[in-house]
Amino acid sequence: SQTIHQWPATLVQPVGSPLSLECTVEGTSNPNLYWYRQAAGRGLQLLFYSVGIGQISSEVPQNLSASRPQDRQFILSSKKLLLSDSGFYLCAWSVKETQYFGPGTRLLVL
Amino acid sequence: GNSVTQMEGPVTLSEEAFLTINCTYTATGYPSLFWYVQYPGEGLQLLLKATKADDKGSNKGFEATYRKETTSFHLEKGSVQVSDSAVYFCARGGSWVKAAGNKLTFGGGTRVLVKP
Repeated sequence: SQTIHQWPATLVQPVGSPLSLECTVEGTSNPNLYWYRQAAGRGLQLLFYSVGIGQISSEVPQNLSASRPQDRQFILSSKKLLLSDSGFYLCAWSVKETQYFGPGTRLLVL
Repeated sequence: GNSVTQMEGPVTLSEEAFLTINCTYTATGYPSLFWYVQYPGEGLQLLLKATKADDKGSNKGFEATYRKETTSFHLEKGSVQVSDSAVYFCARGGSWVKAAGNKLTFGGGTRVLVKP
């Protein structure tokens, strides 16, 4: 069966520091991968998606970037965090239309 | 473009009450429709889905029927429990083509609070 992992689970970072969040999927090949952000009490905002290794599509202009160095690994990064980057970051995968989500990373930027 | 509209919460119910969460979608094409549930502090879990008109998705006592004529996919449960307290998201699919990203369009979420 397929599983999706995200780490870390929680992160507290100062403004201006770098960020790296990792997502890995097991049990499937060539999935589409997604990064979402969820602000407190709000809905989901799609940040990036990837249809293959090295292929990244950005949905919104922002302070963040994404990379996919391996088939089942998806990384969300920032060189300098802003206060507004705080939120709950969710990774998801799909082979067809149904998306399956990871447990999320809660990021607090102070 | 594609959009999904669901009722704003919070919805507060007593245990064993009947729950309905309304969801409507834009009618471009014949999208697959989904309900996801998010328990506090967790990621989203697929609750149920339907892929064509008149299909009924069901899981854990929840049901939703794909109504093409009203472009709706309302979520219902006959008798809720305290453990059903969560945020519920309605979503519609888009292109079937993997290279296009298979992106989903989500509604804004509805918070449900069930009191004992």
